[in-house]
Amino acid sequence: NAGVTQTPKFRVLKTGQSMTLLCAQDMNHEYMYWYRQDPGMGLRLIHYSVGEGTTAKGEVPDGYNVSRLKKQNFLLGLESAAPSQTSVYFCASRPPELTGKLFFGSGTQLSVL
Amino acid sequence: KNEVEQSPQNLTAQEGEFITINCSYSVGISALHWLQQHPGGGIVSLFMLSSGKKKHGRLIATINIQEKHSSLHITASHPRDSAVYICAVSGDSNYQLIWGAGTKLIIKP
Repeated sequence: NAGVTQTPKFRVLKTGQSMTLLCAQDMNHEYMYWYRQDPGMGLRLIHYSVGEGTTAKGEVPDGYNVSRLKKQNFLLGLESAAPSQTSVYFCASRPPELTGKLFFGSGTQLSVL
Repeated sequence: KNEVEQSPQNLTAQEGEFITINCSYSVGISALHWLQQHPGGGIVSLFMLSSGKKKHGRLIATINIQEKHSSLHITASHPRDSAVYICAVSGDSNYQLIWGAGTKLIIKP
């Protein structure tokens, strides 16, 4: 009954450090997404995946990489963190059919100093 | 012009009032989503619509495909309804979502 689980919930990085955010879903969803949300702004799509082994760039992909080696997991990597990447990151998943609702993780608050 | 526009941007109302939030879009869609985000909280999907009307508790969502317009209504509003309400549409590709900027709702006791 977990839904979409994001780890970690909070992280503080120094400029230039790397990290990986993990998104795991147990609903067998095909589509998975990584978004960032900045104060007072809407969600912006970083990368998405329409199935295991596939990924695609979204609206703001620079500075991020992703992998979907297993259907249930979607990883977001920051190779060299920058202060501009300070944000709240949300993972989401949904099934491919037209009636598919979105399910979101609880978010990761990332600060890059 | 944004492809998905919400109005109003901000709405403050008294407890018990009937609330309407609007979403207009300019692209062809396969579905429209309404979501809720509480301050500092996660995002919860409220409705997914492709036609007609859906109701869940005090929340009602309607969509008019011909007019490219959807509304989210809250009856007997309560302070716990205070949140940002977000509209998003699935385009023809279905997996891509286009997001509205959100409506910040405050319900005063």
